[in-house]
Amino acid sequence: NAGVTQTPKFRILKIGQSMTLQCAQDMNHNYMYWYRQDPGMGLKLIYYSVGAGITDKGEVPNGYNVSRSTTEDFPLRLELAAPSQTSVYFCASSYSRSGASGYTFGSGTRLTVV
Amino acid sequence: AQRVTQPEKLLSVFKGAPVELKCNYSYSGSPELFWYVQYSRQRLQLLLRHISRESIKGFTADLNKGETSFHLKKPFAQEEDSAMYYCALSGGDYTSGTYKYIFGTGTRLKVLA
Repeated sequence: NAGVTQTPKFRILKIGQSMTLQCAQDMNHNYMYWYRQDPGMGLKLIYYSVGAGITDKGEVPNGYNVSRSTTEDFPLRLELAAPSQTSVYFCASSYSRSGASGYTFGSGTRLTVV
Repeated sequence: AQRVTQPEKLLSVFKGAPVELKCNYSYSGSPELFWYVQYSRQRLQLLLRHISRESIKGFTADLNKGETSFHLKKPFAQEEDSAMYYCALSGGDYTSGTYKYIFGTGTRLKVLA
């Protein structure tokens, strides 16, 4: 049981480039999330999805886009990368809307924009 | 404002000493509280939930609604407990029909030999 799989683990981007962070889960969870984690800060919610075809903005959505064409996949797109997007990105999923059973996290993607 | 506060960025204790990682929350309702742990170079993983009243790896946490706290405790720290610990809160906003899941900024626990 793989849980939540994120790729790539590391990436260096130049300013203005774009990329897609991949996230896939095999637990049939409807709810999926993208967070960024900056040094000394908590996790900030970027986008979330409550099911295939349904996404919504979190706290810090600017500069990002998502899609959810299937239950399993929830890719995060960065357009026109900026140094402020240097961070560690985590994808997560949950069984319930409240997350009462906890979130399952991916291993993270460390992104550096230079 | 809804928030989770972990006042200590770093907590160092000696092996065998008691550990208490502090978590305070602000929420107008009945939230559910969680502790997550992130070992070096590993993903965040759920450690325990207050609704389960469980003890995981010797850790326990009691929800104190009067003090709005959910401190994580272990009577005898072990070196393998060294990790980042995040407190989190889940609560519903029944007006908007949405849920919020809020993470604290984390506390790094170092257990010294």
